[in-house]
Amino acid sequence: EVQLVESGGGLVHPGGSLRLSCAASGFTFSHYWMHWVRQAPGKGLVWVSRLNSDGSNTDYADSVKGRFTISRDNAQNTLYLQMNSLRAEDTGLYYCAREGDDSTGYYDAFDYWGQGTLVTVSS
Amino acid sequence: DIQMTQSPSSLSASVGDRVTITCRASQTISSYLNWYQQKTGKAPKLLIYVASRLRSGVPSRFSGSGSGTDFTLTISSLQPEDFATYYCQESYSTPWTFGQGTKVELK
Repeated sequence: EVQLVESGGGLVHPGGSLRLSCAASGFTFSHYWMHWVRQAPGKGLVWVSRLNSDGSNTDYADSVKGRFTISRDNAQNTLYLQMNSLRAEDTGLYYCAREGDDSTGYYDAFDYWGQGTLVTVSS
Repeated sequence: DIQMTQSPSSLSASVGDRVTITCRASQTISSYLNWYQQKTGKAPKLLIYVASRLRSGVPSRFSGSGSGTDFTLTISSLQPEDFATYYCQESYSTPWTFGQGTKVELK
């Protein structure tokens, strides 16, 4: 069974830092591109970042570029999001998500999501 | 960045109704369009990918259509467990963007 379990969220002051983790199990983690998606309280879904399977290629939303860093440890089956210079508008539930695959190959959609970890940026 | 516009933002429907949600992209995205269902307090769940492919395990009452800029999610006969918020999402180019969501409520 595929499982994604996020951790590392919490309350942080503006300008502070947090490191989120996403522990993966039930599939060959090193084969899949992985993403972070966030959701502010009562709001919609916003894509944050993605990382290719071997960790060599990253993409970021403009709103987090230069402040957030996505990375992975394929030996530990874990995805990370280092968040620096946090702002109030970064508050929300952060999900890690896996790009999907089916019998025809990989596809560009999120087929599995974690339960999310809550980040609150407030003074 | 590609903008995704869903309509309506909310709708009220009864069990057994046919429900249609539309999603329009600000530029052509071929068939790089996915649909998700999110229930309160839960992570989103993938329903449809590449515009019309039904994810394994998703009931066949859900279907997707469209290409280019205009897409549709249809629920052929609404069931009690389908009351939720639905999001479209383009995966044509990063940043992958989501629609604002459509909340399906009980009439």
